[in-house]
Order: sequence, then structure tokens, then C-alpha cells
Amino acid sequence: QKEVEQDPGPLSVPEGAIVSLNCTYSNSAFQYFMWYRQYSRKGPELLMYTYSSGNKEDGRFTAQVDKSSKYISLFIRDSQPSDSATYLCAMSASGGSYIPTFGRGTSLIVHP
Amino acid sequence: DGGITQSPKYLFRKEGQNVTLSCEQNLNHDAMYWYRQDPGQGLRLIYYSQIVNDFQKGDIAEGYSVSREKKESFPLTVTSAQKNPTAFYLCASSMKGLANYGYTFGSGTRLTVV
Repeated sequence: QKEVEQDPGPLSVPEGAIVSLNCTYSNSAFQYFMWYRQYSRKGPELLMYTYSSGNKEDGRFTAQVDKSSKYISLFIRDSQPSDSATYLCAMSASGGSYIPTFGRGTSLIVHP
Repeated sequence: DGGITQSPKYLFRKEGQNVTLSCEQNLNHDAMYWYRQDPGQGLRLIYYSQIVNDFQKGDIAEGYSVSREKKESFPLTVTSAQKNPTAFYLCASSMKGLANYGYTFGSGTRLTVV
């Protein structure tokens, strides 16, 4: 079992839909959780990070962490065609180098 | 504008050749990282460096080498010992000890063996 599991998709939704992207993990030591967006042939860009459990909102994006279930989510409200990209989750434990473990990424397609 | 510059964007290598990928940052970040991205496999860590003149192997270091002579620069050499080098290579940086708050990534180099 991989430490971080993420469905590769693709996930295809109509414009305006609420999108839910998810990752599960097995390492209970993970405390820091990140979401990156990667457009085709580009480097990932950090969208959000959260520490421990709870929700964090930034504009149309909400990151949610449920440590008891080892499950994290990224919600995108009012999705736009420009949101079409691959979304990578990443997470790291406290201490040491803090180097994150990445999920494989979910490909999202928002069609007009 | 601060950021990470990777060059070249596309690189072609003949079998048996070594090639070097450039990564330069002007963010004043202490730590720099090299990842390899293959379809369906996510990001895999090759090497990382937390300070100048020091670096550590990641999960897939075999067939790769790095140097960190300057804070701003972290070049990656793909040697002929790397059996399957065709991939998308990403360089990233962060403040030392703050990788958990997220990386800044470059735009990547796509390496193809011909």
C-alpha cells in the first residue's frame, strides 16, 4: 500500500460544478497537508496548506483534513474551465527534513 | 520577480551520454530539491540539499548526481548509468526546514533519450 493514495481520474465536470478531490494516507505521523495545481507541461504551484485537522478556505477553494479517517479533500466551488489541471496532494510529518510525500495527482477537466 | 528557472525546457540525450539540467533560484531559499515525474507515478525525490556544499539522496538517486556550490544553484546530472532517464524533471526550493509549508517549483525540463 502506498503511503498516499490519490485517484488519477480523469474527473470531468461541467462548468459551475462543485468539485471534490480527495487523498487518503496511511502514515498517522503526517501533520502538514498541501495541495498543488499543475497545468500541462508546467511545474506544480502551491494552492493551499493546512496543519493538522480542520478546514481552510481561500476564495473558491476549501481544504479539509480529517486525521481520524486519514482523509483529506480539496473542494472547488463554481469550477471554471481554467481550473482544468492535475491536482496533487502532499503531506509531511513533523521533525526531520519535513520533505513531503506526494500523491499521484488527479486530472480534472472542467468543460464549458 | 523571484522564482526558479530551469533550463533547458526540452533536452534530448543519446544513449550513453551524460546531461546536466540547470536549476537557479533567486528566492534566497536554503533548501533545493530535484524530483522526477513520470505519467501515473507522481513525484519521486532524486536528491535534495538543505545547505551549500551538502546534499542527500532521495528515493531514486541511482544514476543521478548533483552539486551545490552556490546557494542559488543546484544542477542535476543524469548519467549514463540511469537506465530509464526519459521523464519530466522538476526542481523545487523552500526555506530550510519549511518544506512542510510548501515548495516553489520551476517549470520543469523534459528529457528524452533518442
